[in-house]
Amino acid sequence: KAGVTQTPRYLIKTRGQQVTLSCSPISGHRSVSWYQQTPGQGLQFLFEYFSETQRNKGNFPGRFSGRQFSNSRSEMNVSTLELGDSALYLCASSLEGGWSEQYFGPGTRLTVT
Amino acid sequence: SQQGEEDPQALSIQEGENATMNCSYKTSINNLQWYRQNSGRGLVHLILIRSNEREKHSGRLRVTLDTSKKSSSLLITASRAADTASYFCASPYGSSNTGKLIFGQGTTLQVKP
Repeated sequence: KAGVTQTPRYLIKTRGQQVTLSCSPISGHRSVSWYQQTPGQGLQFLFEYFSETQRNKGNFPGRFSGRQFSNSRSEMNVSTLELGDSALYLCASSLEGGWSEQYFGPGTRLTVT
Repeated sequence: SQQGEEDPQALSIQEGENATMNCSYKTSINNLQWYRQNSGRGLVHLILIRSNEREKHSGRLRVTLDTSKKSSSLLITASRAADTASYFCASPYGSSNTGKLIFGQGTTLQVKP
């Protein structure tokens, strides 16, 4: 099976812009989770979608949003970018969610200048 | 807040030696998972151990879980330079399967050839 893919791999944006990141899960996986990783805060959960429904959301401002399509592909959007949004954004897919193994993509490195 | 706390934060050993990393968590869990991350890349799932299991093996990896002490350990035997990476423990948040994992801050392992 093909692994989790994320596009783009690298992004450079300026403050105030918005960005959309994409994640294609492993075929058959209905759960897609998103994480933000920074040196200071580590890995922090953003949100999880299962069969197009958001099941859980982390403690992030409303500028961070996401959605999942009927083919399980997921996108996350960050509006009005701030310097602090610079991070590695990781998505993970799984069969069931937190009770099963998570398969991570390579991540999208976002730099906000 | 992080559910998992790991120690040591950093570990440096010679090739061939064993490496032990510890993880403590705060609330009852369905399972505990260990992941590896090579510098700036996606996470790779290593082992998932369920709350009713005490020990699990996978190749050179051995994971133990002590639910009474709310702790887990990852042992890598006969380490290799390729084992150099960051290792994270993670557990599902809450009692429902919503796909939210709480990660520890990780242990950075350096294996010297």
